[in-house]
Amino acid sequence: KQEVTQIPAALSVPEGENLVLNCSFTDSAIYNLQWFRQDPGKGLTSLLLIQSSQREQTSGRLNASLDKSSGRSTLYIAASQPGDSATYLCAVDSSYKLIFGSGTRLLVRP
Amino acid sequence: EAGVVQSPRYKIIEKKQPVAFWCNPISGHNTLYWYLQNLGQGPELLIRYENEEAVDDSQLPKDRFSAERLKGVDSTLKIQPAELGDSAVYLCASSLSQGHNLPNEQFFGPGTRLTVL
Repeated sequence: KQEVTQIPAALSVPEGENLVLNCSFTDSAIYNLQWFRQDPGKGLTSLLLIQSSQREQTSGRLNASLDKSSGRSTLYIAASQPGDSATYLCAVDSSYKLIFGSGTRLLVRP
Repeated sequence: EAGVVQSPRYKIIEKKQPVAFWCNPISGHNTLYWYLQNLGQGPELLIRYENEEAVDDSQLPKDRFSAERLKGVDSTLKIQPAELGDSAVYLCASSLSQGHNLPNEQFFGPGTRLTVL
């Protein structure tokens, strides 16, 4: 059974810092991995999708990497801003079924 | 382009009452998903539709939950009767599924927050 773990559960950093969010999964047989952002009381916003054949994807200040063999993904956020404060969720797609971690709650302090 | 639309956004009911949630996916998306999200947790899949066919409903508590996707577009998720433990956020998502060799990016709606008293 696929299990997804995100570390840390919560993170507080000053504005301007570069930071890394971690995601690990137990079964490497995945089709892709997706990172989402969730603001309080809102739905999920897709940030990046990495196919199983890819190693990384970039969008603006965000960079996500995937190491399928070791069951790990990282989301790198450069030059963090207060507007980045949200919960970040990673999810692995095992046959069109997304299995989510519990998320990392990020607070970027001005 | 409009995203995934859900209604209502909030619903408060008493236990044992019925409740229904509606979802309109992104135009052209053939796959529709219903997820349940408890506080502090990631979403969990309840049911997945490919067009009008429910292809994965293994996580749907069928004694009280039902869903339909008539004409392969809009979908309705129903709970009858609701229990206190059903209080959660119900999320709808859609994607354009074209096989595993192509990315299957899921897009989510804003969710319906259900409170059962």
